[in-house]
Amino acid sequence: DVKVTQSSRYLVKRTGEKVFLECVQDMDHENMFWYRQDPGLGLRLIYFSYDVKMKEKGDIPEGYSVSREKKERFSLILESASTNQTSMYLCASSFRTVLAQYFGPGTRLLVL
Amino acid sequence: KQEVTQIPAALSVPEGENLVLNCSFTDSAIYNLQWFRQDPGKGLTSLLLIQSSQREQTSGRLNASLDKSSGRSTLYIAASQPGDSATYLCAVRGGQGAQKLVFGQGTRLTINP
Repeated sequence: DVKVTQSSRYLVKRTGEKVFLECVQDMDHENMFWYRQDPGLGLRLIYFSYDVKMKEKGDIPEGYSVSREKKERFSLILESASTNQTSMYLCASSFRTVLAQYFGPGTRLLVL
Repeated sequence: KQEVTQIPAALSVPEGENLVLNCSFTDSAIYNLQWFRQDPGKGLTSLLLIQSSQREQTSGRLNASLDKSSGRSTLYIAASQPGDSATYLCAVRGGQGAQKLVFGQGTRLTINP
């Protein structure tokens, strides 16, 4: 079975802090994705990566950056957290772009 | 721009009933469609993936169909159980951005014992 893990289930941070969310997959998947999920807005793509050191902006990249130094790990960085970044963050991976995406358990981030 | 709609937003049925969840999309040029399940406060669990060349996929009590030309997919759940209670999301890949999944808002399903 595919396993996608995220470093924290719940996180509380203060406005202005730098926040790192980590995602690891164990299936040698090429593609990795970061989404955020908000009530009434659904899931929205922040960034994705199709290879090590490669990244593409999604629909809402402002205020975020990403890092993929190793194939199995994809990090989402909030350079200076703001209250409007309070959300559920979901990581996903897929072997090929056109194959199924598998999701991690999510990180619920609260920015105070 | 691809848009995905799921109707109804919520559905409540008694245990044992067969039911159908609906998903529609505006751009028929898709690579595939994926159905997910999400329990409250949790991540998404992939249920079924249908490639654009397929008409349906089955897994246990679940059957998903795809009619690309009309922009519709259905998820059929047979003999529903209380454990099936969750939010069901459909997502399509294709259109202008093949790497991206475009999600519907989901149908919140409640199965009453």
